[in-house]
Amino acid sequence: GAGVSQSPSNKVTEKGKDVELRCDPISGHTALYWYRQRLGQGLEFLIYFQGNSAPDKSGLPSDRFSAERTGESVSTLTIQRTQQEDSAVYLCASSLSITTDTQYFGPGTRLTVL
Amino acid sequence: GEDVEQSLFLSVREGDSSVINCTYTDSSSTYLYWYKQEPGAGLQLLTYIFSNMDMKQDQRLTVLLNKKDKHLSLRIADTQTGDSAIYFCAERAGGYNKLIFGAGTRLAVHP
Repeated sequence: GAGVSQSPSNKVTEKGKDVELRCDPISGHTALYWYRQRLGQGLEFLIYFQGNSAPDKSGLPSDRFSAERTGESVSTLTIQRTQQEDSAVYLCASSLSITTDTQYFGPGTRLTVL
Repeated sequence: GEDVEQSLFLSVREGDSSVINCTYTDSSSTYLYWYKQEPGAGLQLLTYIFSNMDMKQDQRLTVLLNKKDKHLSLRIADTQTGDSAIYFCAERAGGYNKLIFGAGTRLAVHP
């Protein structure tokens, strides 16, 4: 596609439920990144993929968060047993490679945990 | 540690120049970026500068980098209402494959 796409655009869930967020990177981009943006704050790095591998998981806030990537394409971010503090916009970005630094962002998924 | 700071709000009159400032702490930063975020939209890369440069100009945008003071600025000439958005400064620290973002500066352009 022309740009990074994410789905759903909005997700409202109840505390304790699991959610899955999807990211489709720009075709041919080998690097993929997940960030979280809390209301009124900057972006917080969560995880990145080089191909299907995630060398750096240090940004994941807790073991309730996990991510995977398949086929060097689509990635899913899963949050188990959601908490109210998980409410945020989750942004995905991709870049041609790790060494090519320009990251292109998707529109984000707004997650609201009631 | 890594930290990026920006002022939170800037108000300018249409047609004036806007200057958005940013400070960062990691002296090993290789690239510094400016992103624009409009309501309901993702982040749009505006421009970036490599750490061995001190200035970069791109149409109405001028980026100035003072490595000694770890200070980055974005100047928008002839600011228009369409420039109203949140502007994020970000650094890519040396050896890291993630961007460190500031909290964003909300630019309001009024007639």
